[in-house]
Amino acid sequence: RKEVEQDPGPFNVPEGATVAFNCTYSNSASQSFFWYRQDCRKEPKLLMSVYSSGNEDGRFTAQLNRASQYISLLIRDSKLSDSATYLCVVNMGRLDTGFQKLVFGTGTRLLVSP
Amino acid sequence: DGGITQSPKYLFRKEGQNVTLSCEQNLNHDAMYWYRQDPGQGLRLIYYSQIVNDFQKGDIAEGYSVSREKKESFPLTVTSAQKNPTAFYLCASSTQGWVNQPQHFGDGTRLSIL
Repeated sequence: RKEVEQDPGPFNVPEGATVAFNCTYSNSASQSFFWYRQDCRKEPKLLMSVYSSGNEDGRFTAQLNRASQYISLLIRDSKLSDSATYLCVVNMGRLDTGFQKLVFGTGTRLLVSP
Repeated sequence: DGGITQSPKYLFRKEGQNVTLSCEQNLNHDAMYWYRQDPGQGLRLIYYSQIVNDFQKGDIAEGYSVSREKKESFPLTVTSAQKNPTAFYLCASSTQGWVNQPQHFGDGTRLSIL
């Protein structure tokens, strides 16, 4: 089983649609979680951190379910510019070393069409 | 502007040759990382460094070497022992202390074999 699993997609949605991505992780001791966005042939860029209580940033909402080891990202009112690959990232580092081991999912591709 | 600079953007390696990828950051971050990304795969950790003059192997360190003589700089050498070097190489950095500290990436180097 992969440490971080995502549906690769692609998800094809029209502008204005709401789309949700899911991600599962294997290590129940994982402490922090992130969503990154990666455009074609570019570096990943931080979209948002994911907090236990869930958090929202404009049109983007992230949720964490520790019991099910599951993270989600909801995008409302999709824009053409949202087309990208969304990477689920889990910090599986050890508290005692302070080492931040980020484990990346392979990403979910989103295509927003006019 | 603060950020992470990688150079060159594109690099070609001949058989038996060692090549060095540059990574410089002016974010005053303590920790730096090197990843490799292959098509359809998640980022994989090659090496990381939490402080100057110290570095550790990641998951796929064979055929690579690094140094960390200055806080700002973390060059990666791809040696001739790395038999499949063609990939997108990404350097990242983060502040020390790891809970909810995301990593920030440079814009990457694409390495190909001639």
